[in-house]
Amino acid sequence: AQSVTQPDIHITVSEGASLELRCNYSYGATPYLFWYVQSPGQGLQLLLKYFSGDTLVQGIKGFEAEFKRSQSSFNLRKPSVHWSDAAEYFCAVVRNYGGATNKLIFGTGTLLAVQP
Amino acid sequence: SQTIHQWPATLVQPVGSPLSLECTVEGTSNPNLYWYRQAAGRGLQLLFYSVGIGQISSEVPQNLSASRPQDRQFILSSKKLLLSDSGFYLCAWNRDSTAGNTIYFGEGSWLTVV
Repeated sequence: AQSVTQPDIHITVSEGASLELRCNYSYGATPYLFWYVQSPGQGLQLLLKYFSGDTLVQGIKGFEAEFKRSQSSFNLRKPSVHWSDAAEYFCAVVRNYGGATNKLIFGTGTLLAVQP
Repeated sequence: SQTIHQWPATLVQPVGSPLSLECTVEGTSNPNLYWYRQAAGRGLQLLFYSVGIGQISSEVPQNLSASRPQDRQFILSSKKLLLSDSGFYLCAWNRDSTAGNTIYFGEGSWLTVV
């Protein structure tokens, strides 16, 4: 069964520092992978997604993620974090269900705190 | 452009009372619709999905039910709420079942059962 693991529950970085959020997936075929961000008390916004092709994917707000099949990973990165990036980040993989194939399986999330 | 709305944004209900959360999507037709729940300190769990009017699939056994009376309307209900139903509920949609098609989320509804 498909699953997603985000090993870091909580990360604190200084503003201006680089960021990497880890995501590992378990999936038998080519995965469809997503990163979403959730600001406090709000819904989820898509940052980026990977379907195929170039393994380095660019997203919004200066984020990027790299798909590494050999490591079953899809880590999210940002070279310089801004205070407004403080939020919870979710990695997700699509689960196949026959005709309806768009149900996302989420990781438990990583809460990012940014200190001045 | 497409938008998704859900309400109410915040709800405090006593144990044993009924629940109705509504979600509507604008600017598209025949969307796939989803209800997710995010419990405190946990990830998101898919509760229900619907590929058409009157078609509801449940992912996990629970105290909740869902209905889709119109093409772009998705309702989450309960006849008698439990304390464990507290959480953040998110409605979501996407265009079709193409694998990997992006899912878009509403702003969420906070439910506190007291």
